[in-house]
Amino acid sequence: SAVISQKPSRDICQRGTSLTIQCQVDSQVTMMFWYRQQPGQSLTLIATANQGSEATYESGFVIDKFPISRPNLTFSTLTVSNMSPEDSSIYLCSVDLGMTPTNYGYTFGSGTRLTVV
Amino acid sequence: GQNIDQPTEMTATEGAIVQINCTYQTSGFNGLFWYQQHAGEAPTFLSYNVLDGLEEKGRFSSFLSRSKGYSYLLLKELQMKDSASYLCAVRVTGNTPLVFGKGTRLSVIA
Repeated sequence: SAVISQKPSRDICQRGTSLTIQCQVDSQVTMMFWYRQQPGQSLTLIATANQGSEATYESGFVIDKFPISRPNLTFSTLTVSNMSPEDSSIYLCSVDLGMTPTNYGYTFGSGTRLTVV
Repeated sequence: GQNIDQPTEMTATEGAIVQINCTYQTSGFNGLFWYQQHAGEAPTFLSYNVLDGLEEKGRFSSFLSRSKGYSYLLLKELQMKDSASYLCAVRVTGNTPLVFGKGTRLSVIA
């Protein structure tokens, strides 16, 4: 199965600043997904990052707040802009590698635990 | 919209069997996934069902009934390390991201 490297693993940031999270996959993938997991909650999809086109955002998430880059088929970044304490969460990237006998589709990065103070 | 329901919390005894249910109402269906997530870690894949029936993988089994919009995850011979959140997720179409339920926090006690 593919390996996803996500960094930073955690950060503590001042309100009003921005943080960029990076996700690197060791194989080429068409779509990469960014999820948010607030404390004690399940995963909520922020956006789908497509290579060669703008990201597709879910309801409640906007590009100005969460700009995404997807410069090639193995890499994506998510920026959390103008942060407030409500942005404190775990952010996860995910890819769909399709279904094979040894790989059942979705794999997640190790996550970025963000605390905004 | 898409709706996936599962119990919020469950408690079970070490060595016992526990069944975690998941019901879904989605606009399409292209597979159901179960993930395990320990506190502070990323979700890890447990099982996948796309056809009706039972899929068994060691101590873990997952069942699907598409006509009922229902799945369950069965954990046998519970161990303390099985204490975690278990997430049910549905792939609505082949190209769309997974939609997750809120997760079931399982506590295994001695």
